[in-house]
Amino acid sequence: EDQVTQSPEALRLQEGESSSLNCSYTVSGLRGLFWYRQDPGKGPEFLFTLYSAGEEKEKERLKATLTKKESFLHITAPKPEDSATYLCAVQAEINSGGSNYKLTFGKGTLLTVNP
Amino acid sequence: KAGVTQTPRYLIKTRGQQVTLSCSPISGHRSVSWYQQTPGQGLQFLFEYFSETQRNKGNFPGRFSGRQFSNSRSEMNVSTLELGDSALYLCASSLGQPWGNTEAFFGQGTRLTVV
Repeated sequence: EDQVTQSPEALRLQEGESSSLNCSYTVSGLRGLFWYRQDPGKGPEFLFTLYSAGEEKEKERLKATLTKKESFLHITAPKPEDSATYLCAVQAEINSGGSNYKLTFGKGTLLTVNP
Repeated sequence: KAGVTQTPRYLIKTRGQQVTLSCSPISGHRSVSWYQQTPGQGLQFLFEYFSETQRNKGNFPGRFSGRQFSNSRSEMNVSTLELGDSALYLCASSLGQPWGNTEAFFGQGTRLTVV
């Protein structure tokens, strides 16, 4: 069974204080690892997809990296508007029938950035 | 480009009733997945539809069902509502093909409260 564990559960930073969120996973054949941001009462907002170990992607103050067992979301010089819950999800290999389009999510990291 | 649209945004139902939620995917996306989000369990996969066929199903009781129409719009139905069904129900759309881009984009969700 696919499993995703995110740590820490909650993280409080001062504005400008860089840090990293961790996502460790167990999946039988990784098709993709996804990072989302979710604000209270809203749906998850897509941030990144990583497909293979060693891959990195950046967007503004966020940088996602992937190894064979975990992914990190690095936040550089965060601002209060970066406060949100960050979700990690994995998708197992898609079989020849085109199925297995399901995401297994971690419980998320609640990030609070204080001004 | 319009995003994923879910209706209604909020619902209050009584135990024992049934409810139908609707999701219109991004234009051109043929895969629609449904997720239940609760504070305790996080995001959990319900089922996924592609070209009007259910391709994947999560571990939810038969009270939870869905369907997809020829225009890719999808509905989810929950019968005999229980208090524990109170949650944010999220719909995600993706291209749905086994090759290439597999990113899933979420709607704002339907907040269901069962009283």
